[in-house]
Amino acid sequence: EAGVVQSPRYKIIEKKQPVAFWCNPISGHNTLYWYRQNLGQGPELLIRYENEEAVDDSQLPKDRFSAERLKGVDSTLKIQPAELGDSAVYLCASSSLRGETQYFGPGTRLLVL
Amino acid sequence: DQQVKQNSPSLSVQEGRISILNCDYTNSMFDYFLWYKKYPAEGPTFLISISSIKDKNEDGRFTVFLNKSAKHLSLHIVPSQPGDSAVYFCAAQSGAGSYQLTFGKGTKLSVIP
Repeated sequence: EAGVVQSPRYKIIEKKQPVAFWCNPISGHNTLYWYRQNLGQGPELLIRYENEEAVDDSQLPKDRFSAERLKGVDSTLKIQPAELGDSAVYLCASSSLRGETQYFGPGTRLLVL
Repeated sequence: DQQVKQNSPSLSVQEGRISILNCDYTNSMFDYFLWYKKYPAEGPTFLISISSIKDKNEDGRFTVFLNKSAKHLSLHIVPSQPGDSAVYFCAAQSGAGSYQLTFGKGTKLSVIP
């Protein structure tokens, strides 16, 4: 069974530029999560989807971050404009609707110059 | 304020010996705990979990112990192997249906051949 797929794996951009990350969850997993992991820290939740509905986006900086999960499968996370402090690893995870275990993708490492 | 604390940033263990990774939490609402392992440039991989109704869960070489009164859990790896060298994250969840994971900062385990 394929795991969570994310692309790109690495991204380097200049500040004020936009950037987007893509995630394809494990087949059949209705719940999708986006996390941000800063250097030396554990992952922190940005947003959680159940199917196509964002049910928890309280930690998402809404002035510059946006996310969507059209058709309840793939998801994209966008930052516009990016700031230096956005440099981090952005992780996508998925779980079955009633499951408790989240499975993570490899992440996208973002560097903002 | 860190609700999940991993106070040892790193740990070195000789191959074949026991590795013990510790985790403390402050939120008494947490009732489900997970350990994830992370290799460089990869996403966290689920390792083992434990519900608050149990005090021990075993899976092969990995055992997690939970002491609710002390708000402490530990991961034991016996025997340790060089391939176990990774960063280990402790994570906690509160309430059925609450899917938000709170992570510790991680402990880097080095198993020396």
